[in-house]
Amino acid sequence: DADVTQTPRNRITKTGKRIMLECSQTKGHDRMYWYRQDPGLGLQLIYYSFDVKDINKGEISDGYSVSRQAQAKFSLSLESAIPNQTALYFCATSENSGGWETQYFGPGTRLLVL
Amino acid sequence: QQPVQSPQAVILREGEDAVINCSSSKALYSVHWYRQKHGEAPVFLMILLKGGEQKGHEKISASFNEKKQQSSLYLTASQLSYSGTYFCGSLTRPRGGGSNYKLTFGKGTLLTVNP
Repeated sequence: DADVTQTPRNRITKTGKRIMLECSQTKGHDRMYWYRQDPGLGLQLIYYSFDVKDINKGEISDGYSVSRQAQAKFSLSLESAIPNQTALYFCATSENSGGWETQYFGPGTRLLVL
Repeated sequence: QQPVQSPQAVILREGEDAVINCSSSKALYSVHWYRQKHGEAPVFLMILLKGGEQKGHEKISASFNEKKQQSSLYLTASQLSYSGTYFCGSLTRPRGGGSNYKLTFGKGTLLTVNP
C-alpha cells in the first residue's frame, strides 16, 4: 500500500462549489504539505502543518483552507471553487530532521473547475 | 523567494551529458533535488547540506556552492529513464532560529532524452 494517499485522484466541479481534497499517510511523519502544480510554474506551497496544532500559510493560500484532523490526515478545501484553481494538487509529508528532511509526495489529485 | 533554475528545458540524445543549475537570492541552508516523471509525483533525488558538498545518485551527481548560493545537477551518460522534470528546492532557516524550515521549489527543468 502507498505511504501517502490522496482522494479523489480526479475531480471535476463547477464554479462556486465547495470541495475537499483529502490526504492520508502511514509514514508516521509530523509534517504535511499541500502543493499546487501548474504547467511551467513548478510546485507552489499552499499550506503546511508541522504538527496537529500547527497550521501555516504558504505562498498561495488565498481561496484555500486546510484541516489537520490527525497526525495522519490533512485536508485541503476550496470554499468556492473558481476556474483558475484548475490544477494538479499534491500532498506531501516529511519528518522533522533539522533541514535534512525528505518530502514524500502523494500521487496527486487532478482538479478541473468548470 | 523561489530559486531560479536554468535551463528551462533541455533535449539530449541517449549517452549525452547535461547540467541543470539552481540559484537563490537568499542564503541557503541546504539544496534539495527532486525528479518528476510525466504523470507521476515528484521523487526525492538528493540533499546537499554543506557548502561544496557533492552527492551522487546513479550517474547523477550534484554540487552546492554555499557562498555563491548555487547548486548544479550533473547528469552524465544520460539514459532514457532520466527524462522528466527536475526541481531544485531551497531550504531557508526561519528568522530567529528554530526548526520551522520551509522548502521552496524552483519552476523546474524539463529534460528529454531521446534514443
